[in-house]
Amino acid sequence: ETGVTQSPTHLIKTRGQQVTLRCSSQSGHNTVSWYQQALGQGPQFIFQYYREEENGRGNFPPRFSGLQFPNYSSELNVNALELDDSALYLCASSLPGRDTYEQYFGPGTRLTVT
Amino acid sequence: KNQVEQSPQSLIILEGKNCTLQCNYTVSPFSNLRWYKQDTGRGPVSLTIMTFSENTKSNGRYTATLDADTKQSSLHITASQLSDSASYICVVSTNAGKSTFGDGTTLTVKP
Repeated sequence: ETGVTQSPTHLIKTRGQQVTLRCSSQSGHNTVSWYQQALGQGPQFIFQYYREEENGRGNFPPRFSGLQFPNYSSELNVNALELDDSALYLCASSLPGRDTYEQYFGPGTRLTVT
Repeated sequence: KNQVEQSPQSLIILEGKNCTLQCNYTVSPFSNLRWYKQDTGRGPVSLTIMTFSENTKSNGRYTATLDADTKQSSLHITASQLSDSASYICVVSTNAGKSTFGDGTTLTVKP
């Protein structure tokens, strides 16, 4: 176990709805990254938060947004869900600092959009 | 464009046998290369991390090699076990902390 937790484990939503996924980082980690992983593919970088500020973003539309709280936990929000948003959503926390040299992944949230 | 290519896409071996997974990358400037093991429906777990100056790193029955000149890495698994069945993902990062993930090799170990 990495000490990174995510909730919920599974989620089923309808197209057009909004969803919030949560991540608690490993103790002492101030950097959280979010990834989307489609079946049979590697994780795709969504964005990263460092000390409550967005610190880099991948090729995802603005309807993917996030937050990081003072305790370094984080949320991923997705608006106007589309069928292609169905995937495993992973968060990863990093050792203090801005580098993603060593990342610890959570178990993921499986999102199904119908 | 930074890319990470892994081969084979999938592999089936018998319990007790060895296997080698390949990773080729075009990420620049190179900082480090990591191998992760990902069980189905779970998050990836780190196996090895190698920087530019390291050409081999072991973690139990897992041994990773790195050739920074040819931009190739391999992950060798010795005496495979049923629990080794998983997806193995190669990740290469730049000095700026940008990571590129491969699509993984799915390994199935059969009794």
